[in-house]
Amino acid sequence: EDKVVQSPLSLVVHEGDTVTLNCSYEVTNFRSLLWYKQEKKAPTFLFMLTSSGIEKKSGRLSSILDKKELSSILNITATQTGDSAIYLCAVTSLWTDKLIFGTGTRLQVFP
Amino acid sequence: DTAVSQTPKYLVTQMGNDKSIKCEQNLGHDTMYWYKQDSKKFLKIMFSYNNKELIINETVPNRFSPKSPDKAHLNLHINSLELGDSAVYFCASTGGFYGYTFGSGTRLTVV
Repeated sequence: EDKVVQSPLSLVVHEGDTVTLNCSYEVTNFRSLLWYKQEKKAPTFLFMLTSSGIEKKSGRLSSILDKKELSSILNITATQTGDSAIYLCAVTSLWTDKLIFGTGTRLQVFP
Repeated sequence: DTAVSQTPKYLVTQMGNDKSIKCEQNLGHDTMYWYKQDSKKFLKIMFSYNNKELIINETVPNRFSPKSPDKAHLNLHINSLELGDSAVYFCASTGGFYGYTFGSGTRLTVV
């Protein structure tokens, strides 16, 4: 069965710290891995990583896909209180558009 | 303009009642979805429709019946509500390969 596992489940840091969130997956015929940020309402899209785009960066956030290890990391440098959220990792396969989510990592950034 | 809109945002109802949640997207996407997020924030797909046709039905009880009158709308009707149906229900749409757009969610509380 397709599966996505995220770690840690929860993380508490101070502003200015750098954090690394992990995502590992098992999926038949992998197509893409996506990262989302969820604050109070809907998940908002951060990155999509595929075989042809294994590294993405946007401001203080960056993500890398390791297809050999079937995993991805999401890095956030110089964290701010506004980064506090649940970060969700999801994968898709070649056969379907559905997103298979992990359980998420709850990040809390304190001043 | 809201890209994916759901109504209502909150729904409190008694066990045994029947209720509906509506979703509309103005992105011109072909595929729409319903996801359920439980109290532990785990997001899981329920249904997907592509251009009004049911594509995915993820072993959801048949008390849940999606309906897609056209490709811009996907409604979810739930019969005989149970306590375990309490969750946040997200509608989403995708136009293809590049990620999803989620609605802001409907928080359903069954009492």
